[in-house]
Amino acid sequence: EVQLVQSGAEVKQPGESLKISCKGSGYSFTTYWIAWVRQMPGKGLEWMGIIYPGDSDTRYSPSFQGQVTISADKSISTVYLQWISLKASDTAMYYCARRDGVWGQGTKVTVSS
Amino acid sequence: DIQMTQSPSSLSASVGDRVTITCRASQGISNSLAWYQQKPGRVPKLLIYAASTLQSGVPSRFSGSGSGTDFTLTISSLQPEDVATYYCQKYNSAPWTFGQGTKVEIK
Repeated sequence: EVQLVQSGAEVKQPGESLKISCKGSGYSFTTYWIAWVRQMPGKGLEWMGIIYPGDSDTRYSPSFQGQVTISADKSISTVYLQWISLKASDTAMYYCARRDGVWGQGTKVTVSS
Repeated sequence: DIQMTQSPSSLSASVGDRVTITCRASQGISNSLAWYQQKPGRVPKLLIYAASTLQSGVPSRFSGSGSGTDFTLTISSLQPEDVATYYCQKYNSAPWTFGQGTKVEIK
């Protein structure tokens, strides 16, 4: 079965760093672009960026460029979304997704003092 | 960057009604458009890709049309289980922008 399995919910304080993950299985991990999507509470879907795990080619939405880092480790079929210094406004559900409709279950990130 | 504008932002219709949601791209995107359904608290579900191709397992009452800049998602006979928010997404080139969503409710 083709799956994307994300890491668990996180509660962090402002200013802390965070790296969440998305592990692919059941398919050739290096040959599908994987996107990260943000959904703030009660709001719509926002496309953050994509990575091609085969060569780590990465593209960002202008809204998220410089705010997050997307990376991949193809040896363990995992892509990452990373923050250096979280803000309260980063509180959201984050999804990884393939373009053909395979989505992770979501990682809820709460940033609060 | 290309902007995606959906209309209406919300609608209320009766069971059995025909429902139409529109998505407009600020520049041409050929047929590189997908439609997603998201129910409250759930992961988005792909309904349609390539503007008009129904994803496997999606009921045939859902259909998509359009090319270039103007696209439409139609629900031919609205069912109670179709209550959700619907999003279009372009994917011809990065960024793969989503529309702002259309919330569909039952009258």
